[in-house]
Amino acid sequence: DQQVKQNSPSLSVQEGRISILNCDYTNSMFDYFLWYKKYPAEGPTFLISISSIKDKNEDGRFTVFLNKSAKHLSLHIVPSQPGDSAVYFCAALISNFGNEKLTFGTGTRLTIIP
Amino acid sequence: EAQVTQNPRYLITVTGKKLTVTCSQNMNHEYMSWYRQDPGLGLRQIYYSMNVEVTDKGDVPEGYKVSRKEKRNFPLILESPSPNQTSLYFCASRGRGSYEQYFGPGTRLTVT
Repeated sequence: DQQVKQNSPSLSVQEGRISILNCDYTNSMFDYFLWYKKYPAEGPTFLISISSIKDKNEDGRFTVFLNKSAKHLSLHIVPSQPGDSAVYFCAALISNFGNEKLTFGTGTRLTIIP
Repeated sequence: EAQVTQNPRYLITVTGKKLTVTCSQNMNHEYMSWYRQDPGLGLRQIYYSMNVEVTDKGDVPEGYKVSRKEKRNFPLILESPSPNQTSLYFCASRGRGSYEQYFGPGTRLTVT
């Protein structure tokens, strides 16, 4: 049972335009969400996160939106740059000061077209 | 430089031959974890450790062992590897009070 779903395996966006990556989750206990970016032959690197008490978090070109009622979050990248081409993973956790295990989605491969 | 290191990066082995993948972090993090990445399944947690001498199972622990004798090291042990353990493995760590996990570069394991 995939509790975190990224239904788009791939996405192509023109350089300079907005990239929107989507993520859905089923477990209502998740209260913290993270986006990771992964280049080939490297480990995932943290990009941005959001707590369930917020509906938006912004960091430079990256903004994450959370819609708790729809159990949906999205990552917006504006403007998209060639270096943004990577696989993006959505991850969720239940904060309990114990094993805050990250539950990952299957990833979306973003390609920025110059 | 703050980092998580893994060795080896690539390994091809045969069924039943014991192997160890090492993981080390230099950030004095309490929490360490192992994940495996498989196509269509994302990353799944194998084992985790909250601190020295404290380890527990994740979602897919079968066929794996871990130990945490020192804070900085968290080796993953496959006592008798099988072909279904062919995968990309990542070690991760995080500090107390933070949810952000730092990942190592990955170890690609092939078991024939």
